[in-house]
Amino acid sequence: EAGVTQFPSHSVIEKGQTVTLRCDPISGHDNLYWYRRVMGKEIKFLLHFVKESKQDESGMPNNRFLAERTGGTYSTLKVQPAELEDSGVYFCASSQTRQGGYTFGSGTRLTVV
Amino acid sequence: QKEVEQNSGPLSVPEGAIASLNCTYSDRGSQSFFWYRQYSGKSPELIMSIYSNGDKEDGRFTAQLNKASQYVSLLIRDSQPSDSATYLCAVNNRGSQGNLIFGKGTKLSVKP
Repeated sequence: EAGVTQFPSHSVIEKGQTVTLRCDPISGHDNLYWYRRVMGKEIKFLLHFVKESKQDESGMPNNRFLAERTGGTYSTLKVQPAELEDSGVYFCASSQTRQGGYTFGSGTRLTVV
Repeated sequence: QKEVEQNSGPLSVPEGAIASLNCTYSDRGSQSFFWYRQYSGKSPELIMSIYSNGDKEDGRFTAQLNKASQYVSLLIRDSQPSDSATYLCAVNNRGSQGNLIFGKGTKLSVKP
């Protein structure tokens, strides 16, 4: 079984630019979560999809972040325009249930300069 | 603000010893508790989940939960250098649809 795939693995962009992160969950996993870890801080929840629907986006920091999950398959997380404080590692995770036993992707390290 | 607290470490133990990792959480109503292992530069990997008070054993790992004290621990017996990693404690966010609240993690170093 293929795991959760994220790309790019690294992205360096200038402040004000746009970046789109992609996550391909494990096939058949309806639940897809985005998390972020800012340096020195804990991993924090951003949002949760069930199939193509946003179930909970309470962790999204502001309206510069836009997440989509086309057809309930892969998901994208767009940051526009990027700010310095958006730097961190963005993790995607998927699961069949909502009990928290996720499989995480390897993450995208975003650096905004 | 719901929180999960862990000692950041590093916790250093000799090979073959028992490593004890601790975690406290603030939301008394939390129901699900998880330990993830994260090697440097890699993704978090689920190693244990526990839902009821008491101990749960899986191989060299034992998770312990005490809801009255709002305390979760992970014991690693016969520690190996390959166990050297950051261990993340996570607790379900009560009222959510499965999202987790993470601690900052404890860095474990097992010395040969």
